[in-house]
Amino acid sequence: QVQLQESGPGLVKPSETLSLTCTVSGGSISGYSWSWIRQPAGKGLEWIGRIYTSGSTDYNPSLKSRVTMSIDTSKNQFSLKLNSVTAADTAVYYCARGVAAASTKSCFDFWGQGTLVTVSS
Amino acid sequence: QSALTQPHSVSGSPGQSVTISCTGTGSDVGGYNYVAWYQQHPGKAPKLMIYDVSKRPSGVPDRFSGSKSGNTASLTISGLQAEDEADYHCCSYAGSYTWVFGGGTKLTVL
Repeated sequence: QVQLQESGPGLVKPSETLSLTCTVSGGSISGYSWSWIRQPAGKGLEWIGRIYTSGSTDYNPSLKSRVTMSIDTSKNQFSLKLNSVTAADTAVYYCARGVAAASTKSCFDFWGQGTLVTVSS
Repeated sequence: QSALTQPHSVSGSPGQSVTISCTGTGSDVGGYNYVAWYQQHPGKAPKLMIYDVSKRPSGVPDRFSGSKSGNTASLTISGLQAEDEADYHCCSYAGSYTWVFGGGTKLTVL
């Protein structure tokens, strides 16, 4: 079964860049779409963006100016960079896969366990 | 792109049925049949329970069912069990390859 694992710094200073990597195991990263989703403490989920194994990307319009996603199929990894962070970016960040047995417009099936990123000086 | 609207909380007794609603607009829930529901226990990652409005992934009990009418999608849980107590989130395709979630609903099993 596919497993996803987020990794990266748990503390980022205001105005700096948040960088996270998701490692996919138990299956190939190729042929699927991969997303980042975040959840502030006690709040709902927010889709950040997704990347195909071709490298094409789609981003949440509200975050588009600050987000960059990339993928390394040789390492079965994809990454998120969010620049100019503020306290409002403090959240648990999840990586997830687009539902494999469905349309490219379907939501997400497998998720990582999540990683807490705190923005503070 | 606004968040979908879910009730803050719902409750039910063991064995009963509960329904959680997820209201959007014609640009998301009402415009596409790509609504999913997730179960999230405290400190855990969301688990897919329903996708494409009413499809159940392998391993999800048939006590969980999904439907949609107009701009509102619904998740119904029948035969409530103690382990169903969790937060439930809806997700919808919102056009132009973007997705939107609801604010989440806390289900309490009395």
